[in-house]
Amino acid sequence: QQQVKQSPQSLIVQKGGIPIINCAYENTAFDYFPWYQQFPGKGPALLIAIRPDVSEKKEGRFTISFNKSAKQFSLHIMDSQPGDSATYFCAASYGGATNKLIFGTGTLLAVQP
Amino acid sequence: DTGVSQDPRHKITKRGQNVTFRCDPISEHNRLYWYRQTLGQGPEFLTYFQNEAQLEKSRLLSDRFSAERPKGSFSTLEIQRTEQGDSAMYLCASSLDLNSPLHFGNGTRLTVT
Repeated sequence: QQQVKQSPQSLIVQKGGIPIINCAYENTAFDYFPWYQQFPGKGPALLIAIRPDVSEKKEGRFTISFNKSAKQFSLHIMDSQPGDSATYFCAASYGGATNKLIFGTGTLLAVQP
Repeated sequence: DTGVSQDPRHKITKRGQNVTFRCDPISEHNRLYWYRQTLGQGPEFLTYFQNEAQLEKSRLLSDRFSAERPKGSFSTLEIQRTEQGDSAMYLCASSLDLNSPLHFGNGTRLTVT
């Protein structure tokens, strides 16, 4: 019940495409859902986060879609660029806190020129 | 650079040796966290501090692991009698408060031979 399941494991898109990464959770107590981006040899960096009172949030080219009834959320990257090639992790936490994050297993994204 | 700083970046040790890692959080961040990331997986929560108090430890943190944060500033993570299964990236993160985003360092990669 504490898991966050992420798919796909890897994804290849052409420059300008819109990769979509999906996550599903079971614990209905989760109330904070961030996405992190990680480049090789670096720590994860926060991209965008959402709380369950909204169904969508946009920041620049990144959009989170949130479906509370289905217990799913996804990351969309508009107009993807080769520089977006990285590993993306979804995560979740509860109690309004942002600290004890439970991470998904990651999606390795490659954006081809 | 005013981000989270971790030292060393890489550590190779022989099984049975003790190792210690250091983390310097972003100044004024009173919460500090340790996570562990193995290859192909998302980070897993280990423990966290509010100022100098260690508030929670994950079941992943065996008796061989000890973390400290003297004076509520930098933190150290020590692993005694290392095992090959301890090989991982150890990530430190900090946040201003319970509801602020986590900022990760670039980690210490431990290899136990």
